[in-house]
Amino acid sequence: DGGITQSPKYLFRKEGQNVTLSCEQNLNHDAMYWYRQDPGQGLRLIYYSQIVNDFQKGDIAEGYSVSREKKESFPLTVTSAQKNPTAFYLCASSPWSSGQAYNQPQHFGDGTRLSIL
Amino acid sequence: QKEVEQDPGPLSVPEGAIVSLNCTYSNSAFQYFMWYRQYSRKGPELLMYTYSSGNKEDGRFTAQVDKSSKYISLFIRDSQPSDSATYLCAMKGAGGTSYGKLTFGQGTILTVHP
Repeated sequence: DGGITQSPKYLFRKEGQNVTLSCEQNLNHDAMYWYRQDPGQGLRLIYYSQIVNDFQKGDIAEGYSVSREKKESFPLTVTSAQKNPTAFYLCASSPWSSGQAYNQPQHFGDGTRLSIL
Repeated sequence: QKEVEQDPGPLSVPEGAIVSLNCTYSNSAFQYFMWYRQYSRKGPELLMYTYSSGNKEDGRFTAQVDKSSKYISLFIRDSQPSDSATYLCAMKGAGGTSYGKLTFGQGTILTVHP
């Protein structure tokens, strides 16, 4: 079955530690996205990538970093600079063809819940 | 003021009821409108996807978009306990927002009790 796999489901971070969240998709989608979900605030965009080796900041990129070395993978690193990392992190993907991403829906993985120790 | 406003509820209804979920928005550039369903500890699942104004029906679900009022709705007929979830509205523009950025509402928590 095609889909988006996020791992791990639960992750704990110590003070001063960087942690990396994995996102893999086998939908052959070009575009991938990372969102953060906090209670009562909906989803907020952290980073997105339209093609391999290219990515752009979203609305709340500070304290996060990403890479896009392969089409299938878009890992997110939560750095020690992110002072409030406790949240539910969601990865999404969508097709992208000649700038037509605006008419393609995004599909989501099942998230990683990050907490501070 | 948030670009998209959604009543967080919680909303509790008996099985078989008609449920109405709503969002209002302020950005007239929004052209594509979505409803996602999210079960606890899961990712959002796309339910409905509509373009511009009008109605779209899929089984027990009907999505309505009124761009003149900047108001979208999701109706669930014959609601079931399995419909208990958080419902998120999302929307995006075209052209200038070509990377497809979604703007989400806060989500409405729905419980359907037997």
